[in-house]
Amino acid sequence: QVQLQESGPGLVKPSQTLSLTCSVSGGSISSGNYFWSWIRQHPGKGLEWIGYILHSGSAYYNSYLKSRVSMSADTPKNQFSLKLTSVTAADTAVYYCARADGFDGDGYYLDYWGQGILVTVSS
Amino acid sequence: QSVLTQPPSLSGAPGQRVTISCTGGSSNIGAGYGVHWYQQLPGTAPKLLIYATNIRPSGVPDRFSGSKSGTSASLAITGLQAEDEADYYCQSYDRSLSDYVFGSGTKVTVL
Repeated sequence: QVQLQESGPGLVKPSQTLSLTCSVSGGSISSGNYFWSWIRQHPGKGLEWIGYILHSGSAYYNSYLKSRVSMSADTPKNQFSLKLTSVTAADTAVYYCARADGFDGDGYYLDYWGQGILVTVSS
Repeated sequence: QSVLTQPPSLSGAPGQRVTISCTGGSSNIGAGYGVHWYQQLPGTAPKLLIYATNIRPSGVPDRFSGSKSGTSASLAITGLQAEDEADYYCQSYDRSLSDYVFGSGTKVTVL
């Protein structure tokens, strides 16, 4: 059973960089054709897929955050990370890491999720 | 503004059937991309409920079923139970945006 766990600061100051790490157990991020993903949910709102990284290190970011997002993978530690620069109060959200499975042509879906971490942007 | 539109809320009595719609367009559902559904119980992470339009992961009751037609998809819950009270989200891929997108979400209330 794959398990994911987010970690990082719960409070970030405006204009600074939000940094989160997702630790994966029960499976290797180096194996398979999975998309190791980050999703966020603003308080009381819907879900937003931020982007994903492959085990090769290639990363894809959703268009609305592309200019501020970067992701990386640390395969020896079986972790992947999210960085979001120049944060504002609008970036306050619960951030989830998740694994996406599927195949090209039909699309990918998120089959395993972390519990989520609330990140508040405030001075 | 979500690319995939869902009704904000639905309700039903225990035992009834409710259907949640997910309306997209020609660049996502209508382009043939799979539609996936998630259930989010209060205060918890979303859980995969249906993938590839109509496949239930192991452990998901067969009261949940999915379908797709044209540019829309639906999630049906039959024999509604109190434990089904949750938010439900559809998800697909949009080739115009080159993004994975979620629906706006539907809150299901069991009366």
